[in-house]
Amino acid sequence: ETGVTQTPRHLVMGMTNKKSLKCEQHLGHNAMYWYKQSAKKPLELMFVYSLEERVENNSVPSRFSPECPNSSHLFLHLHTLQPEDSALYLCASSQDRLGNTEAFFGQGTRLTVV
Amino acid sequence: AQSVAQPEDQVNVAEGNPLTVKCTYSVSGNPYLFWYVQYPNRGLQFLLKYITGDNLVKGSYGFEAEFNKSQTSFHLKKPSALVSDSALYFCAVRDPLSGYSTLTFGKGTMLLVSP
Repeated sequence: ETGVTQTPRHLVMGMTNKKSLKCEQHLGHNAMYWYKQSAKKPLELMFVYSLEERVENNSVPSRFSPECPNSSHLFLHLHTLQPEDSALYLCASSQDRLGNTEAFFGQGTRLTVV
Repeated sequence: AQSVAQPEDQVNVAEGNPLTVKCTYSVSGNPYLFWYVQYPNRGLQFLLKYITGDNLVKGSYGFEAEFNKSQTSFHLKKPSALVSDSALYFCAVRDPLSGYSTLTFGKGTMLLVSP
């Protein structure tokens, strides 16, 4: 266990549904991240939060909406997704976002959009 | 801009033999370099990192990596492979001068260790 917990582990949703992914860390880290992992593609950084403030948003469609209510929790709200959004969504945290510390990853949520 | 390349999609090695997983990078300054491993249906696990100092870095599970600035490489190595080492390996780089927190990952190399 890395100390970063993601729920649910698996999610199947229709294109008209609304769902949320949850990430929780109790490592005392100040930075949290959402990544998308698709088959045979490099990991794509989606969002970065530092001290609960969104500091990076890498041209992610608005159907993905992050929320960071406190330094331990990160959500990814999903609505009107497309089949190409099916992927493994990984949450990560690190001590801070600009230092040399490594990121700790959750086990991911396997999302299937039907 | 920063980038990382893992030239091999897959590496096959017999158990007990040494293994090498290749990684090259491109940054404008001195890089921070990382290796992660991903087992099936799991997230990424940190293996080791190079920040500064000794070019040979030792990490978890007997893995090590050598930073070579002239060749801009950071190859992952292990003297004797185990079947349980079979997994997907990712190299990542961060340029500390960029002002961005982005860790740029390679596309991954699948390591298959045969009994």
